[in-house]
Amino acid sequence: NAGVTQTPKFRVLKTGQSMTLLCAQDMNHEYMYWYRQDPGMGLRLIHYSVGEGTTAKGEVPDGYNVSRLKKQNFLLGLESAAPSQTSVYFCASSYRIEFWTSGSAAYEQYFGPGTRLTVT
Amino acid sequence: DAKTTQPPSMDCAEGRAANLPCNHSTISGNEYVYWYRQIHSQGPQYIIHGLKNNETNEMASLIITEDRKSSTLILPHATLRDTAVYYCIVSRKLIFGTGTRLQVFP
Repeated sequence: NAGVTQTPKFRVLKTGQSMTLLCAQDMNHEYMYWYRQDPGMGLRLIHYSVGEGTTAKGEVPDGYNVSRLKKQNFLLGLESAAPSQTSVYFCASSYRIEFWTSGSAAYEQYFGPGTRLTVT
Repeated sequence: DAKTTQPPSMDCAEGRAANLPCNHSTISGNEYVYWYRQIHSQGPQYIIHGLKNNETNEMASLIITEDRKSSTLILPHATLRDTAVYYCIVSRKLIFGTGTRLQVFP
């Protein structure tokens, strides 16, 4: 199993250019997530998906779009890159394990190696 | 979603137990406590999670107080390779704070 893979590993964009980051997982996970991490900061959730064909906004969704056409892939798009989007982007995936007796759910996330994006 | 408070940094001698605290006083009854760590600039790695009871796996132990308002991650015999940023999370959407930077020294 490759786990969670991300393409590309590094990218430099000019302001206004567009690009798509690809995340792929081979663990048959229902849930997938995109995070960004700025220097010295924790991870912030951009968008997530609870299943094929569904997406939802996270904490910092502005300037990004996502698509989940296949269960194993989650794409993150930047339509018009800005220097503020310079960051390391991490993708993750998880099962959703329901515990009906307690009304709770657990989501152990598996992360990819990250994509380092610089926008000049 | 519940928020967490962690000390920004801690030191631990190699071979000793590392005890990393986390405060989550606003946790709701059905939220799990998760711990992840991030070594250098790699993707975060899942360590352990728990709801009410203490948990142990091959990596660590998790102690959750009876009122669930705080927890402690225990690395029983810290090694240099445990040097990392450790994140405590109690949100369904897994919102990461800035974590605790653990430095294990020889």
